[in-house]
Formats: sequence, C-alpha cells, structure tokens
Amino acid sequence: AQSVAQPEDQVNVAEGNPLTVKCTYSVSGNPYLFWYVQYPNRGLQFLLKYITGDNLVKGSYGFEAEFNKSQTSFHLKKPSALVSDSALYFCAVIKEEGRRALTFGSGTRLQVQP
Amino acid sequence: EAGVAQSPRYKIIEKRQSVAFWCNPISGHATLYWYQQILGQGPKLLIQFQNNGVVDDSQLPKDRFSAERLKGVDSTLKIQPAKLEDSAVYLCASSIRTGVGSYGYTFGSGTRLTVV
Repeated sequence: AQSVAQPEDQVNVAEGNPLTVKCTYSVSGNPYLFWYVQYPNRGLQFLLKYITGDNLVKGSYGFEAEFNKSQTSFHLKKPSALVSDSALYFCAVIKEEGRRALTFGSGTRLQVQP
Repeated sequence: EAGVAQSPRYKIIEKRQSVAFWCNPISGHATLYWYQQILGQGPKLLIQFQNNGVVDDSQLPKDRFSAERLKGVDSTLKIQPAKLEDSAVYLCASSIRTGVGSYGYTFGSGTRLTVV
C-alpha cells in the first residue's frame, strides 16, 4: 500500500515570509514523491518531484522540497511567499516499482496575506 | 503540445439520471487515468488504462460507474444512476507509460459534476 498524509488543512503566511507545507509518506520500497498545485477551477499543475539523487529538489515558481528518508517526509518550501502562491497544494506518492497510479494526500490550502 | 482535453466543464443532473464525461489525452500517451476529487479531499483514482486495457479499477464503484477506452486514445467515464455523493470534480490525466514513467502526468481541467 502507498499513502501520504498532509497534517495541515490550511497554512497561513505573510507575504515575503518563508513557507512550509508538510507531507509525510508511507510506502514499502523506494518512493517517488510529487507536489502539485491547484488553482480555483483549474486542473492539477506539477510543481516538482523526487525520484532519486539529491534530497533537496527544486521546482517551478521558486518552490523546493526536501526528501527526508528517516522521517519519511517531503515538505514543500519557499523562501519568500507571494500572494499569488495562494492555492491548494497536494503531495502525492508512487512506489518505484510496479504500475500503480499516483496516490494523493488530502491537500493543504495555502493562504498568503499581503 | 496540446494538453489533456475534457468535456463538459460543468454538468448539473438530478439524482438517478445518467451522465458521461469525455477525455482526450495527450497524443502518444499510453496511460490514462480518471480521478474523482470530492470537495475538500485529494483526488482518488477511479480507473487506470494502459492503451485500451484496464490496469486498475479496484476503486471504481462498478455498480454505477463504467469507463472505456476502446481505441486506446480517448476515454469516456459514465455514471448511471447518479447519487448525490457523486458530486465532485472528475479529473482525467495521461502519462507516457506506467511504472517508472508514470511521473510524467498531465491533468485536464476536470469536469465539475453537481447532482441535485
């Protein structure tokens, strides 16, 4: 089985401050981990992924995420938040081997205040 | 590159009626997925196709939901009869292949279904 947990329904941060959106995963074997963003009335947009290699992954729009195997976490981060970053963020996982599809977390709403 | 096309964008039906959604994946993408996203939740996989064969439909409520991808290209998802709890956004996604290659997902904009 594979699953992800996003413990925060909502994260509030002031514009210009750093932001973190948390994600933990559970999968047997090596995980492939992803972050997607969803704006209102839009489909899911890919932000970044961890497959292998460096634990710090850089993605679109200045976002990055750190893979921590010992803590089974893959938190999304950005050094300086923008109001336009306000959206719904989903963490997702897939097991390295096999033909399973992505499993998504429940989502975290990020609200960046001006 | 054209994206994943879905239609209609919105649909309102009464309970017990039937409804169908259409998806045209990116050209050359062998794998197609249908996800259901209920308000306030993450997307949940309904069915996964590899070409025109079903890879995983374990979470598809087969008593009322059906899906097909006859020619291995576009796909149709049907609900008959609809229930109130089927109100959700139905997302279609495609990728070049499953397994290692499946991280190249592209999602469509979705169809928002409201059952009244």
